[in-house]
Amino acid sequence: DAGVIQSPRHEVTEMGQEVTLRCKPISGHNSLFWYRQTMMRGLELLIYFNNNVPIDDSGMPEDRFSAKMPNASFSTLKIQPSEPRDSAVYFCASRTTRRGEQFFGPGTRLTVL
Amino acid sequence: DQQVKQNSPSLSVQEGRISILNCDYTNSMFDYFLWYKKYPAEGPTFLISISSIKDKNEDGRFTVFLNKSAKHLSLHIVPSQPGDSAVYFCAASGGEKLTFGTGTRLTIIP
Repeated sequence: DAGVIQSPRHEVTEMGQEVTLRCKPISGHNSLFWYRQTMMRGLELLIYFNNNVPIDDSGMPEDRFSAKMPNASFSTLKIQPSEPRDSAVYFCASRTTRRGEQFFGPGTRLTVL
Repeated sequence: DQQVKQNSPSLSVQEGRISILNCDYTNSMFDYFLWYKKYPAEGPTFLISISSIKDKNEDGRFTVFLNKSAKHLSLHIVPSQPGDSAVYFCAASGGEKLTFGTGTRLTIIP
């Protein structure tokens, strides 16, 4: 079975550019989570969806960040405009049950110059 | 405000010995706890979990202990193997969300 798929795996961009990260959750999973990993703060939850509906976006750092889930098999995290402090690894995870374990994708390493 | 803390950024253990990773939390509403393991360039993978109604859960070489009064949990790996070298994240949940610690890098010395 395919796990959570993220693309691209690496992204290097210049400050001010728009960045779009993509995620395909595991088929049948109805919850999707976006995380950011940094050395200082570890894994931070940015936003999560249940059944394609955003439930909690309190972790989204600024209005420059937005996330969508147009259907059960696809989600995007967009940063516009990007800044150097957005450089981090961004993970997507999905889950089938309300309290079950989350399955993580391989992550996207974002570098903003 | 870190609600889940892993105060040891790194830990080195001899192969075959016991590895003990620690985690503290502050939110008394947390009732479900998990450990994840992460290799470089990969996403975290689930290792073991424990509900607050228990104080111990065991799975092979891995055991998680929960001390609710101290708001402390620990992961024991016995015996430690070279493949256990990774970053370990503690996570806690009081509902649908997981709150993660900053991780502990475990290095197993052959």
